[in-house]
Amino acid sequence: NAGVTQTPKFRVLKTGQSMTLLCAQDMNHEYMYWYRQDPGMGLRLIHYSVGEGTTAKGEVPDGYNVSRLKKQNFLLGLESAAPSQTSVYFCATQLRPSTDTQYFGPGTRLTVL
Amino acid sequence: KNQVEQSPQSLIILEGKNCTLQCNYTVSPFSNLRWYKQDTGRGPVSLTIMTFSENTKSNGRYTATLDADTKQSSLHITASQLSDSASYICVVSASYGQNFVFGPGTRLSVLP
Repeated sequence: NAGVTQTPKFRVLKTGQSMTLLCAQDMNHEYMYWYRQDPGMGLRLIHYSVGEGTTAKGEVPDGYNVSRLKKQNFLLGLESAAPSQTSVYFCATQLRPSTDTQYFGPGTRLTVL
Repeated sequence: KNQVEQSPQSLIILEGKNCTLQCNYTVSPFSNLRWYKQDTGRGPVSLTIMTFSENTKSNGRYTATLDADTKQSSLHITASQLSDSASYICVVSASYGQNFVFGPGTRLSVLP
C-alpha cells in the first residue's frame, strides 16, 4: 500500500501560470482534504471532499479549485498562480470525519515567482 | 474565534531527558484533540486522538493529557531519542463541519 501520494514533490511557477496538484490514495477513504502550510502558522484547510463527486470550501479557498471525479484522486488546481500561493501543500485522507486518523501525504513545495 | 496556541515555540533537550509540550485552545463546541509529529520535509503523522471523555492517551513514549475544563492539553515525551527531533502539532476539532484547527507547532530538537 502506498497510502497517500502527492505529485509533484516540487514545482516552481511564474505569476499567472496554472498547474494541478494530484493527491492519490489507496485506502478507500471517503474524506479527502487539501491544506497549505506556511512558516509560523498552522495548517489551513483549502478545500475538502466528503466523497466521490463532492467538494466543499475550507478556510482559505480563494484562488484554488478542486475536483474529485474518482474516489481515490483529489486534484487541486491553481488557475493563475500568485506569489501569495507560495507554500507547502498537503493532502490528507480520513475514513470517517469523527475520531478517525487523518493520513497525510508527503507534501508538495510550490514556489511562485 | 477558534484558535489553538502551543508553547514553547521551540525546545532543545538532551537525549534521554523528558519534556512536556503545551497546547491551549478556544475551539467550541469541542469534539476531539489530536497530536501529530511532523518530521522535516514530511507530512504530519498522528500520535494520539482524545475525545471529551478521555483525559489521557499514550502511544509508546508519548503521553497526551487533556483538561477539557481549562481547555488545555499536554504532550509528554519520556526518555527522548534523537529521532524525536520534529515539530509537534496540536489539532482541535469542533463538532460541526470539517473544522480542524491546527496549532503552529512546537519545534523539538534532541541533541546527543
